[in-house]
Amino acid sequence: GAGVSQTPSNKVTEKGKYVELRCDPISGHTALYWYRQSLGQGPEFLIYFQGTGAADDSGLPNDRFFAVRPEGSVSTLKIQRTERGDSAVYLCASSLTATSGRTDTQYFGPGTRLTVL
Amino acid sequence: LAKTTQPISMDSYEGQEVNITCSHNNIATNDYITWYQQFPSQGPRFIIQGYKTKVTNEVASLFIPADRKSSTLSLPRVSLSDTAVYYCLVGYSGGGADGLTFGKGTHLIIQP
Repeated sequence: GAGVSQTPSNKVTEKGKYVELRCDPISGHTALYWYRQSLGQGPEFLIYFQGTGAADDSGLPNDRFFAVRPEGSVSTLKIQRTERGDSAVYLCASSLTATSGRTDTQYFGPGTRLTVL
Repeated sequence: LAKTTQPISMDSYEGQEVNITCSHNNIATNDYITWYQQFPSQGPRFIIQGYKTKVTNEVASLFIPADRKSSTLSLPRVSLSDTAVYYCLVGYSGGGADGLTFGKGTHLIIQP
């Protein structure tokens, strides 16, 4: 079946612009996660959703970052007034659930490479 | 406070068994231990998960001692294609972002 998809695969923008990154999770997965990965570092947690609600957004670095998942499927990560330091690969993952007790297997997408000039 | 500690890098040769150890001294009762593998330009991929003792699947084994303060990922007979970064995570569903901290991982390089 189809895995997690992310669009666009690459995004180049200018400092100060607004960007949206999209994630299509695996069908039927109720949990969705966003991470940011800089070169040479591990993925850094940003936010995760259980259904439509953000269960934990403690990883969002500041109020320029926002994510939504209005229908409990597709999610959009929104970054306002982009800065050069926002340049990274943004990864999305989904899992069947995030409330089973044990940590559910996350299935990752290929990521969106964001470059802020 | 980092929940896990892993070696930054390891080298081995094709056909060898490779063991990567992760320290998690502050592991909580509810926490599971999960390992992911990541190749360049790809998202991480689940390898194995365990709670205690030993877990084995078609690609790896996971050894967890009784005190659960560490775990060892064992890759039997590695090949060049096992060159990747390996991450150890500790946490549980519903435990929030603590269980979603990847750290820097272990960069495993396999040589011919």
